[in-house]
Amino acid sequence: ETGVTQSPTHLIKTRGQQVTLRCSSQSGHNTVSWYQQALGQGPQFIFQYYREEENGRGNFPPRFSGLQFPNYSSELNVNALELDDSALYLCASSLEVNTGELFFGEGSRLTVL
Amino acid sequence: AQRVTQPEKLLSVFKGAPVELKCNYSYSGSPELFWYVQYSRQRLQLLLRHISRESIKGFTADLNKGETSFHLKKPFAQEEDSAMYYCALSGNRGSTLGRLYFGRGTQLTVWP
Repeated sequence: ETGVTQSPTHLIKTRGQQVTLRCSSQSGHNTVSWYQQALGQGPQFIFQYYREEENGRGNFPPRFSGLQFPNYSSELNVNALELDDSALYLCASSLEVNTGELFFGEGSRLTVL
Repeated sequence: AQRVTQPEKLLSVFKGAPVELKCNYSYSGSPELFWYVQYSRQRLQLLLRHISRESIKGFTADLNKGETSFHLKKPFAQEEDSAMYYCALSGNRGSTLGRLYFGRGTQLTVWP
């Protein structure tokens, strides 16, 4: 059974640029959630995708957007990067929607200069 | 508003000593509570959830609705328990469904 995989693991961008992070969900999981974890903080919910539709969004501006594909993999896109976007971005998949039992990837560490 | 508070950022105990990681929450309803753990160089993973009422790796956690707490306990800590522990809440209605609200985490160190 393949776990949640994320790419890239690390990346550096400059302010104003755009970034795309990718996630492959665990086999058999149809729901993907994205979380932002700033240094010294717990993960914070960005949004969730279920069957290619957004199924809930946290308190993040519209420049944070996402996609889910038919194979349940997902992308997180962030436009007009700001310094405060520097964080670890975690992808998590689950066997069903509306469950708190999540399976996390190792994350993508984004640094914005 | 929903909130999870873990008052201790760092907690150190000696091997064999009891350990309790505190978690308090606020939510106007009946939430589901979880403990997630992250061992060194590993990904975040579920340790236990209150509805399962299980003991995992010797850890237990009881939901106390009166005190809005969900403290994690283990009677005899082991060195391999050293990790970052996150308490998390999932709501049971509306926009809180399907999302986790995490505390800031407690770094547990168990000394030999």
